[in-house]
Amino acid sequence: DQQVKQNSPSLSVQEGRISILNCDYTNSMFDYFLWYKKYPAEGPTFLISISSIKDKNEDGRFTVFLNKSAKHLSLHIVPSQPGDSAVYFCAAGTRGGTSYGKLTFGQGTILTVHP
Amino acid sequence: SQTIHQWPATLVQPVGSPLSLECTVEGTSNPNLYWYRQAAGRGLQLLFYSVGIGQISSEVPQNLSASRPQDRQFILSSKKLLLSDSGFYLCAWSVNSNQPQHFGDGTRLSIL
Repeated sequence: DQQVKQNSPSLSVQEGRISILNCDYTNSMFDYFLWYKKYPAEGPTFLISISSIKDKNEDGRFTVFLNKSAKHLSLHIVPSQPGDSAVYFCAAGTRGGTSYGKLTFGQGTILTVHP
Repeated sequence: SQTIHQWPATLVQPVGSPLSLECTVEGTSNPNLYWYRQAAGRGLQLLFYSVGIGQISSEVPQNLSASRPQDRQFILSSKKLLLSDSGFYLCAWSVNSNQPQHFGDGTRLSIL
């Protein structure tokens, strides 16, 4: 049972335009969501996170939106740059208690930004 | 600043051979530590986590084991590797359970 899903394996965007990466989850206990970026042969790099008490978090060109009723989150990158080309993973977890910070990851979306 | 080191970067092992992958974290104390595996074309699957020295929790039944002999050292092991153990193994740390995890650069393990 895949609790976190990224249904688009890939996305292609022109430089300067907006990139929108989507993620759906099924576990209503998740209250903490993160996006990671991964280049080939490297480990994922943390990008941005959002708590379930918010519906939006912004950091520079990156904005994460959370729709709890739809169990959906998205990452917006504006403007997109060729250096943003990478695999993007969304992840979800439950803070506190005995969760120990465990995260469940989606399958990833390959973003390609064309010059 | 905190850094995480994983080695080796690449490893080719025959079926049935033992395995030892090491991960160390610098610049922090008593971190949470995690081992993940990424199979080809798939997301990251949590294998083990540790919230303190000597404490290990396993997430999935498997051919692997983990140990935390020191506060900032996390080791992934196997006595006899299987073909299905091939994959990209990632170690991660976090300050506590409410903070993001930060990953090492991973080990690409190929079993022949």
